[in-house]
Amino acid sequence: SQQGEEDPQALSIQEGENATMNCSYKTSINNLQWYRQNSGRGLVHLILIRSNEREKHSGRLRVTLDTSKKSSSLLITASRAADTASYFCATAALYNQGGKLIFGQGTELSVKP
Amino acid sequence: DGGITQSPKYLFRKEGQNVTLSCEQNLNHDAMYWYRQDPGQGLRLIYYSQIVNDFQKGDIAEGYSVSREKKESFPLTVTSAQKNPTAFYLCATRTSGLSGGEQYFGPGTRLTVT
Repeated sequence: SQQGEEDPQALSIQEGENATMNCSYKTSINNLQWYRQNSGRGLVHLILIRSNEREKHSGRLRVTLDTSKKSSSLLITASRAADTASYFCATAALYNQGGKLIFGQGTELSVKP
Repeated sequence: DGGITQSPKYLFRKEGQNVTLSCEQNLNHDAMYWYRQDPGQGLRLIYYSQIVNDFQKGDIAEGYSVSREKKESFPLTVTSAQKNPTAFYLCATRTSGLSGGEQYFGPGTRLTVT
């Protein structure tokens, strides 16, 4: 059961611009995570934000979480061509069994040099 | 991808044949997961295992089977009962303790059934 929805589905920007991706979910969560996937590869964990946190930074990444709206956003600042990839949000339910994650459909980001 | 090996990278099978996908980890992680990814889609959970000799069905377990005889290994068998097996299969691990913590992914196996 996929509960994460992301928008936009695809995003094309120029190098140096900022990229913002949004994620919405349906149930109460323990935490929300963002992952990156290069074409045909496995996923790489980017950042985890807990339900009691509102904002988190990691390098050029900024993640916000609004639990009242059940939504999160990922901002990549000063994008580079190497940031071209698909980005997925994943939620861990509040009463989590087995550490399961529910993934969104992903946003495909293309950064043009 | 480091620490998790999935082999082979590409796998081709005829319809009606069972096929087993390998997942090996040297991260000493307790929990392991199998996901399926279809083109342009997110990941869907097939099976997961929190400890050796124990595993649970995920959201789309029909037509799949797993075993967890060793901590390091969590093979997935795609049976002939799986109606649409062609997909990209990803194995992941997680350390114990933190519920719903980050997962570490292998490089994936792309299965094509014709």
